[in-house]
Amino acid sequence: DAGVIQSPRHEVTEMGQEVTLRCKPISGHDYLFWYRQTMMRGLELLIYFNNNVPIDDSGMPEDRFSAKMPNASFSTLKIQPSEPRDSAVYFCASSKFGETQYFGPGTRLLVL
Amino acid sequence: RKEVEQDPGPFNVPEGATVAFNCTYSNSASQSFFWYRQDCRKEPKLLMSVYSSGNEDGRFTAQLNRASQYISLLIRDSKLSDSATYLCVVNGDNAGNMLTFGGGTRLMVKP
Repeated sequence: DAGVIQSPRHEVTEMGQEVTLRCKPISGHDYLFWYRQTMMRGLELLIYFNNNVPIDDSGMPEDRFSAKMPNASFSTLKIQPSEPRDSAVYFCASSKFGETQYFGPGTRLLVL
Repeated sequence: RKEVEQDPGPFNVPEGATVAFNCTYSNSASQSFFWYRQDCRKEPKLLMSVYSSGNEDGRFTAQLNRASQYISLLIRDSKLSDSATYLCVVNGDNAGNMLTFGGGTRLMVKP
């Protein structure tokens, strides 16, 4: 079975540009999570969805960040405009209720 | 105070050694506990769940002390392939699906 799929795997962009990260969860999983990982702050939960509905977005840093889940098989995390401090690895994870989370390979974002 | 605290290490140990990691959590209402492993430049992966009575999986033993809000992971007969970062993870909501990660403890096993 395919695991969580994320694209792109690497993204280099300039400050002020829009960045869109994509995630396809494991089929049948009804929870989807977006995390950000940096050396300074570790792994932080940004937002999570249940059945395509955002449940908790308290981890989203600011209005420049937005996330959508238009259907059960696709989610996006958008940063507009991007800033150098957004440079991090962004992980998407999915799970069934009460079960372990499976992580995608991550997107390494570098904002110059 | 962080919700889940770990010693960042690194722990440098020789092959065959026994090594233990500890973790404390602040939310006394937490119900589920896990250890995840993260290899360099890879995603976190579940190593094992942690049960109240303690549990073992091969060379790995996990313990939970709810009274002290303390979790441990013991690795016996460590292998070179055990070198990784070990993340202590606690569920953050009543539904059990929102996880809070510790900062991780880095282990380096040397020949």
